Amino acid sequence: GAVVSQHPSWVICKSGTSVKIECRSLDFQATTMFWYRQFPKQSLMLMATSNEGSKATYEQGVEKDKFLINHASLTLSTLTVTSAHPEDSSFYICSALSWGRGETEAFFGQGTRLTVV
Amino acid sequence: GESVGLHLPTLSVQEGDNSIINCAYSNSASDYFIWYKQESGKGPQFIIDIRSNMDKRQGQRVTVLLNKTVKHLSLQIAATQPGDSAVYFCAERQDQAGTALIFGKGTTLSVSS
Repeated sequence: GAVVSQHPSWVICKSGTSVKIECRSLDFQATTMFWYRQFPKQSLMLMATSNEGSKATYEQGVEKDKFLINHASLTLSTLTVTSAHPEDSSFYICSALSWGRGETEAFFGQGTRLTVV
Repeated sequence: GESVGLHLPTLSVQEGDNSIINCAYSNSASDYFIWYKQESGKGPQFIIDIRSNMDKRQGQRVTVLLNKTVKHLSLQIAATQPGDSAVYFCAERQDQAGTALIFGKGTTLSVSS
């Protein structure tokens, strides 16, 4: 099946700094990727839709200037958390769309645990 | 806000029992539903999916039932094993192929041996 890889798996950063998270589709091309955020014991909340070669579409309440998304190639989307604060500490998960099982299927990365201290 | 929800946040079963995890969705236009399993610190893992033109689909030890009349989705796990312990989410695609999945709140399944 299709593989989506996130890097890093976990990161600790100081408050006020920026952190970049990468999401790669390893064996397929993905024109569309999605970024989710998951707080402890909660569900995945969609943050934004990332389209290759165009601006990302952000969900209501997600600050586009704080969560910068770049999808410059068909296999890579990046999420940069700018001026991170402790409340940004969360589990960030990306997914990429590929054709599988007779349906457009979302394949998920393993997630990135961000801790802001 | 979320349009997909689950009836029970936790479910505890004995090894070998059958488990049933339920989900209620609110968007009658949703055309595709998926169940995911998530283990601690990992991304969601696909279990089984079903399209809105079906009411039942079976996989290996798992069955998904869809009742569009009452907008209800369930996941049945046969002969539950300790390795099935995880958080289970249902997700729906509300619009069309290429749009994001919306996740429900999740049910934590605990299997004791």
